[in-house]
Order: sequence, then structure tokens, then C-alpha cells
Amino acid sequence: AAGVIQSPRHLIKEKRETATLKCYPIPRHDTVYWYQQGPGQDPQFLISFYEKMQSDKGSIPDRFSAQQFSDYHSELNMSSLELGDSALYFCASSSSGSRNEQYFGPGTRLTVT
Amino acid sequence: AQTVTQSQPEMSVQEAETVTLSCTYDTSENNYYLFWYKQPPSRQMILVIRQEAYKQQNATENRFSVNFQKAAKSFSLKISDSQLGDTAMYFCAFMTYTGANSKLTFGKGITLSVRP
Repeated sequence: AAGVIQSPRHLIKEKRETATLKCYPIPRHDTVYWYQQGPGQDPQFLISFYEKMQSDKGSIPDRFSAQQFSDYHSELNMSSLELGDSALYFCASSSSGSRNEQYFGPGTRLTVT
Repeated sequence: AQTVTQSQPEMSVQEAETVTLSCTYDTSENNYYLFWYKQPPSRQMILVIRQEAYKQQNATENRFSVNFQKAAKSFSLKISDSQLGDTAMYFCAFMTYTGANSKLTFGKGITLSVRP
């Protein structure tokens, strides 16, 4: 069965640079969630989209922005990167008829040096 | 706001034995979902089991079962016949029942080690 795809899997950036993370949800899933997991931490909700509209917002820095496109894939844009942004970024997807089933992608490991 | 508490940072169990992982939560909601996710060294988040708060019957998935005590706001995971592949970080998570805001709130996690 198709799963959530995230790219790239690993990304190394320097401070003050910009990064773009991509997420391709499971086919026919219309809702996408982004989570950030710092080293030794639990995943923290950043933002979610339903039918290309932002549906909820968590502890996402103003330096970050995200959107969902017409094909339901989503991109997380991160600017002015800081050392503290180094983390594993998960994307999860669900369908509107079954939002209690969130399927996670493998994550993108971002390292800021 | 909802909170999820996992007070045990680490646990260890002998292969083939049974282990119980604890989780408590706090919410003013009446309808919600509770989950246990497994995160092995690969860091992939894998759904282990899900419980709907309005269902009194405890969820079971093969070797995994929960003890859901709604009044006590407790949601523990029992792993029977532990296997080496069960070694992982386990996160307890909460989700409200409303459709628009269905984000997951996680506990701090517990590291489970299965000894051969």
C-alpha cells in the first residue's frame, strides 16, 4: 500500500539559510499535518491543512510557512534557519472521513550547522 | 488544553514476558481518541493501537492491549510475549474528537528495551 512520502530524507543547511520540505500524502487523503521532533523530544504539532486551507496551527515559528497544493501535497518552508531548528520533521496524512487515523511519513532529518 | 503524561522514562523486560507502559492524560473533553505509537531506532512513527473514548471495551491488537480507565484518565499499554523487535520508544498520544482540529498531542515517551 502507498505510504506518505517525504523529501528530502536528510538535509543539511547553514544558519540563516532557507529550507523547503515536501510531503506527498497517501492517495485520496485530503488532510496533511506537520510535526517537529527535536532530539530526545516528543513530536510537536506545527500546522495542518485540509482541502488546501490551513485548518489548525500549533507552535510554528513565524519564520516557517506552509501550504497545501491542488494535488494535496504540502511544503514546509523554513527561513533564517537557527541551530535549534535541527530536528526530525514528520508529515502525516489522513482522510476527512477518518481523521483519527493519521499515517506518518518517514520524516526529514534537518541539520542546521 | 490537553496534556499527556508518561512518567516512566525507561523500562526493560525479558523476552517473552509481559510489560505494561503507563500513560495519564488530562482533558475537559468527553469524546476523544487515545493512541500508542511506536518509534523504533529507524525513527518511523508506527501506530500500535487506538482507543475511542466512547467505547468501554478495551482495544486489542494481537499482542498489544490497553487498559482504558476513562474516569481515572488512564491509558496503559500491555505488551504480551515481548519480542526483541518491540525495543523502541513508545509514545502515548491524545486527539480530540472534533474534525477540524484533529492534531495529536504526545507524551514525552518511554524507552522500552527487550532483553534476550
